[in-house]
Amino acid sequence: QKEVEQDPGPLSVPEGAIVSLNCTYSNSAFQYFMWYRQYSRKGPELLMYTYSSGNKEDGRFTAQVDKSSKYISLFIRDSQPSDSATYLCGRDAGGTSYGKLTFGQGTILTVHP
Amino acid sequence: EAGVTQSPTHLIKTRGQQATLRCSPISGHTSVYWYQQALGLGLQFLLWYDEGEERNRGNFPPRFSGRQFPNYSSELNVNALELEDSALYLCASRDRTGEIYEQYFGPGTRLTVT
Repeated sequence: QKEVEQDPGPLSVPEGAIVSLNCTYSNSAFQYFMWYRQYSRKGPELLMYTYSSGNKEDGRFTAQVDKSSKYISLFIRDSQPSDSATYLCGRDAGGTSYGKLTFGQGTILTVHP
Repeated sequence: EAGVTQSPTHLIKTRGQQATLRCSPISGHTSVYWYQQALGLGLQFLLWYDEGEERNRGNFPPRFSGRQFPNYSSELNVNALELEDSALYLCASRDRTGEIYEQYFGPGTRLTVT
């Protein structure tokens, strides 16, 4: 079983829709959870991060971690065509695995006008 | 401020050859990370260098190696290339005071092994 599982999609939504992107993880020894966004032919860029569990909001984006169900979610409100990208969820385990960021496969999102 | 730069942009090699990929971190960043992004496999951690030392390594065979130079730039070497090494290789850098997730990625080197 992969440490972080993510549905690769692709996901296609109309402009203005609420988008929900999800990941599951298998190891409970995680500290940081993060979302990166990767535009075509570019490197990933950090979008949001959370520590432990709970919600974190930044503008139209909300990151949510549910440690009891080992679920990571990213919600995008009022989605825009400029949000079209691949979204990668990831985590850092800490301890002896410190620095080894593990990512899901990435979900390809297309927001059409 | 210039971002992370990588060279070359594309690299085509034959199975069994060696490939060398280069990365220049953001000025002032001392940590460099290497990742492999293969089709269908997502982003996989390869190596982490900090202050010239290898700090951690992903689940890759020893033919994947690298080093970090005194100016903090880095090199990734892949020996005895195999077809499945074809992927986008991404380099990221981080400031020593930044959190582990505050990594800034370069545009990558596309390696094709034929």
